[in-house]
Amino acid sequence: AQSVTQPDIHITVSEGASLELRCNYSYGATPYLFWYVQSPGQGLQLLLKYFSGDTLVQGIKGFEAEFKRSQSSFNLRKPSVHWSDAAEYFCAVGARSNFGNEKLTFGTGTRLTIIP
Amino acid sequence: GAGVSQTPSNKVTEKGKYVELRCDPISGHTALYWYRQSLGQGPEFLIYFQGTGAADDSGLPNDRFFAVRPEGSVSTLKIQRTERGDSAVYLCASSSGQVGSRAEAFFGQGTRLTVV
Repeated sequence: AQSVTQPDIHITVSEGASLELRCNYSYGATPYLFWYVQSPGQGLQLLLKYFSGDTLVQGIKGFEAEFKRSQSSFNLRKPSVHWSDAAEYFCAVGARSNFGNEKLTFGTGTRLTIIP
Repeated sequence: GAGVSQTPSNKVTEKGKYVELRCDPISGHTALYWYRQSLGQGPEFLIYFQGTGAADDSGLPNDRFFAVRPEGSVSTLKIQRTERGDSAVYLCASSSGQVGSRAEAFFGQGTRLTVV
């Protein structure tokens, strides 16, 4: 069965500083990987996804992520964070079930705090 | 509507009571998912509908949980004899994807269920 580990429960970053959120996955086949963001009172919003091809994936809001098969990682990065980036971030791996649907397995999330 | 709508946004119920949680997917989306997010955890898959049928209910924790989607649009998640451990945010997502596709899933804001 697939699993996702987000080792950092909480990260604090100064506004304007760079950001990297870690994600490690376990999956027997080629993984389909996602990053979602969840702001207070909001639903999950997809930031970016990796299915195949270029291992550096660009997303919305200036985020990018790099798939590294050798490290089983899919870390999320942003060169300069904004106060509005404060939220909970979830990494997820998608697996095709026997029923044909895409079943997402999420990590426990990383809460990002931005300080002035 | 413009997005996935879930009602109510908050529900407080007494232990042992029956509750229904409603999800209005994006118009035209054939795939619908329910996830449960406990405090401090990532969302966990519950059930998947393709059209009117529950194609994958492998994530339902026990037989107190049931979901329907009678006309292939609105879905209702039903919980019988609620327990305090059922307290969580219940998330609904929909996508335009047919079986085997990789269409993006759009999440609602969730229903926060509290069992007292």
